[in-house]
Amino acid sequence: SYEVTQPPSLSVSPGQTASITCSGEKLGEKYACWYQQKPGQSPVVVIYQDNKRPSGIPERFSGSNSGNTATLTISGTQAMDEADYYCQAWDSSTVVFGGGTKLTVL
Amino acid sequence: QLQLQESGSGLVKPSQTLSLTCAVSGGSITSGGYSWNWIRQPPGKGLEWIGYISQSGNTYYNPSLKSRVAISVDRSKNQFSLKLSSVTAADTAVYFCARERLLGSNYYGFDVWGQGTTVTVSS
Repeated sequence: SYEVTQPPSLSVSPGQTASITCSGEKLGEKYACWYQQKPGQSPVVVIYQDNKRPSGIPERFSGSNSGNTATLTISGTQAMDEADYYCQAWDSSTVVFGGGTKLTVL
Repeated sequence: QLQLQESGSGLVKPSQTLSLTCAVSGGSITSGGYSWNWIRQPPGKGLEWIGYISQSGNTYYNPSLKSRVAISVDRSKNQFSLKLSSVTAADTAVYFCARERLLGSNYYGFDVWGQGTTVTVSS
């Protein structure tokens, strides 16, 4: 079965750039989405179709997807961005989520 | 604005069947370009897709759960439902319903989520 892999954790200082990767075989040939989930809340899509931002999502969130890796980039990371982030893709009529990356802003 | 609300049994005994419903408000479940999904999250763990039902009634399930899962839709009530049979403690999780949006070649992902409902499997 298809799998996508994320680093379990990432720490950044406020104002720095956070890059969260999601790796999977030929992931660049599929659409990737990214979700932000804060404690006790439902996930929110922050990037869809590799690099598009839904309305209401700050411009500091961006995405890319090529080869075997999709990347979520948060420029000028703020304390409010501290959360779990999940990548998601489709493969053979099945939705696949990455294991999630806990982003700490300190 | 479309909203989703999960409801159902919060405590299920081992070997029994988990049943949840997701009520859709602010829009029609029969609108084209959307699928209606169930996703769960065990305590302290990541997201796991369970399956979906399309607006035409087709269903797709996670292969790891396929033998135990059934998703159905009630168009008259504008809601869809999940049944998971033969549950064990490993099925304890927060269960979310979510709308997935695909219009033409544009894939928007899971753009609307319910608040989630906690289901505990215990005797």
